[in-house]
Amino acid sequence: GENVEQHPSTLSVQEGDSAVIKCTYSDSASNYFPWYKQELGKGPQLIIDIRSNVGEKKDQRIAVTLNKTAKHFSLHITETQPEDSAVYFCAASKSGTYKYIFGTGTRLKVLA
Amino acid sequence: SAVISQKPSRDICQRGTSLTIQCQVDSQVTMMFWYRQQPGQSLTLIATANQGSEATYESGFVIDKFPISRPNLTFSTLTVSNMSPEDSSIYLCSVRPGFQETQYFGPGTRLLVL
Repeated sequence: GENVEQHPSTLSVQEGDSAVIKCTYSDSASNYFPWYKQELGKGPQLIIDIRSNVGEKKDQRIAVTLNKTAKHFSLHITETQPEDSAVYFCAASKSGTYKYIFGTGTRLKVLA
Repeated sequence: SAVISQKPSRDICQRGTSLTIQCQVDSQVTMMFWYRQQPGQSLTLIATANQGSEATYESGFVIDKFPISRPNLTFSTLTVSNMSPEDSSIYLCSVRPGFQETQYFGPGTRLLVL
């Protein structure tokens, strides 16, 4: 069935360094890819998304890249700060369906 | 986006009892969803709450265990019935405004069943 693999499951970086989280999807018809940040005790918050007609999207320190051929997309966080520490989830969906297929999550820890 | 609230934010319940979780949105939305997030895990879709009709359940979830109501376009409830410790999870409401692809999540309800 459809699935989304997410790596790594945990990631520790020094403050100021970059962090990269990668997701691979199985359904080639997927065309919408959101990323969520979930802080402890809170619900997931949308931080960035990308559609399949775009290869890259950037919002300040956060960027997402998409490789449709390889069926993977990545979240890049530059100049990490302690407040970036959270669990990050990727997801994939396709037109005509409301369902998201979520990745398994990455726990990011930014060390001060 | 949408502002979503959930009640209660957390609860501790005894096995065999039921808990009803409320989800309120600040604007009318076409689609509302209920998810379960087991400890340390990803999000699993329970059902889509349909306004004016029965909810649509995903494989592995049944109406008798998770009855859902959606009386209007801004409100929905999820009941976790006859609870067991395995039901201890975070239950999340999400909405999809208009024709957007994006889903927005509520803060979640943290349930512990003893």
